[in-house]
Amino acid sequence: QVQLVESGGGVVQPGTSLRLSCATSAYTFTYYGMHWVRQAPGKGLEWVAVIWYDGNNKNYVDSVKGRFTISSDFSKNTLYLHMNSLRAEDTAVYYCARDLGHRIPATGIMDVWGQGTTVTVSS
Amino acid sequence: DIQMTQSPSSLSASVGDRVTITCRASQSIDTKVNWYQEKPGKAPKLLIYFSSNLQSGVPSRFSGSGSGTDFTLTITSLLPDDFATYYCQQSYISPFNFGPGTKVDI
Repeated sequence: QVQLVESGGGVVQPGTSLRLSCATSAYTFTYYGMHWVRQAPGKGLEWVAVIWYDGNNKNYVDSVKGRFTISSDFSKNTLYLHMNSLRAEDTAVYYCARDLGHRIPATGIMDVWGQGTTVTVSS
Repeated sequence: DIQMTQSPSSLSASVGDRVTITCRASQSIDTKVNWYQEKPGKAPKLLIYFSSNLQSGVPSRFSGSGSGTDFTLTITSLLPDDFATYYCQQSYISPFNFGPGTKVDI
């Protein structure tokens, strides 16, 4: 069945960088947009970024603009989140999620989710 | 940005109860609201999209309604598996913000 598996989380110091990966399987990766959503400890869900199915359009929440970059490697069916200048407030479980839309601009509806990877930013 | 609020923030219920959670958007968003269920240590699960469309595989005791700024999620006849946190989310325009969540416990 459709599967999303995140990796790349860890404990890092403020100001450093990290790259998260989301390996996908059992569906045509190039047909669907993808999202990153995070959840800080004890907090609710926060949408972070989206990339359209064709990789040509991206959007971010204001708090990560200029620091995070979402990208897709179609040869590897993998989604990435490049995170620079990390701050303590970026500490969270990061989920990747598939957009419900099929070969259309991202709908913002997330129908399949990974299990998440934990990022801790601490000195 | 569109802000989403939910009420109540938490509620206590019993198996068999009917539960209603409300969600309000800071501006009109047509029917572009989705509902997710989250359980501790597990990934969120899409329940309802476009206000009232039941996601494939989701039991029919879940239903959604609303348009404009006010939306509701209803769970008829609560089962033990339904004790969780529920989030609304707008998909009208980026950033696709979530509400703060409603925790349903026993």
